[in-house]
Amino acid sequence: GENVEQHPSTLSVQEGDSAVIKCTYSDSASNYFPWYKQELGKRPQLIIDIRSNVGEKKDQRIAVTLNKTAKHFSLHITETQPEDSAVYFCAASNNQGAQKLVFGQGTRLTINP
Amino acid sequence: DGGITQSPKYLFRKEGQNVTLSCEQNLNHDAMYWYRQDPGQGLRLIYYSQIVNDFQKGDIAEGYSVSREKKESFPLTVTSAQKNPTAFYLCASSQQGGFYGYTFGSGTRLTVV
Repeated sequence: GENVEQHPSTLSVQEGDSAVIKCTYSDSASNYFPWYKQELGKRPQLIIDIRSNVGEKKDQRIAVTLNKTAKHFSLHITETQPEDSAVYFCAASNNQGAQKLVFGQGTRLTINP
Repeated sequence: DGGITQSPKYLFRKEGQNVTLSCEQNLNHDAMYWYRQDPGQGLRLIYYSQIVNDFQKGDIAEGYSVSREKKESFPLTVTSAQKNPTAFYLCASSQQGGFYGYTFGSGTRLTVV
């Protein structure tokens, strides 16, 4: 089955700097890669996703890149703000059989003012 | 509440007791999922259901049971066989046929007392 590894587990950056979180996956059939943001005690919220037919997707200060050959994908947050502080999860899924997500272990991002 | 409601928000279980967590959605989603979240371990899949009256075990199903008698409802029972049930439980739902990721409920925090 699919296995998703996420790094780093914690990340601290200065406000205004960029943050990058990386994930690798094991199943070459995976074709859908969402990123979720979870604030303390709250539900995870989808912030951006990418499918395997594209290499990059942007939404304002957030971007995701996908390298299918190397089986890794990354979340990039530019011009970080205090409200970006949260736990971020990557996930992977494929269309074969049940459409279920396998999650990475999470990254706790702290933005220092 | 985002179309998917979990109750209760907090639940306390005594040793040897079964408890049931509720999950209801009004999004007309076919698929529903239960995940367990522990600190530093990400989200792990307990059970999932793609259609009414059918469900499959996830990665950590031991000590849990589910039912899917209605499209809108997917309750999770934590049985006395689950030796370490203290965790944050998240229910999610998704459309089938063109995967767009999950919508999560707000979660139930279960504590053994």
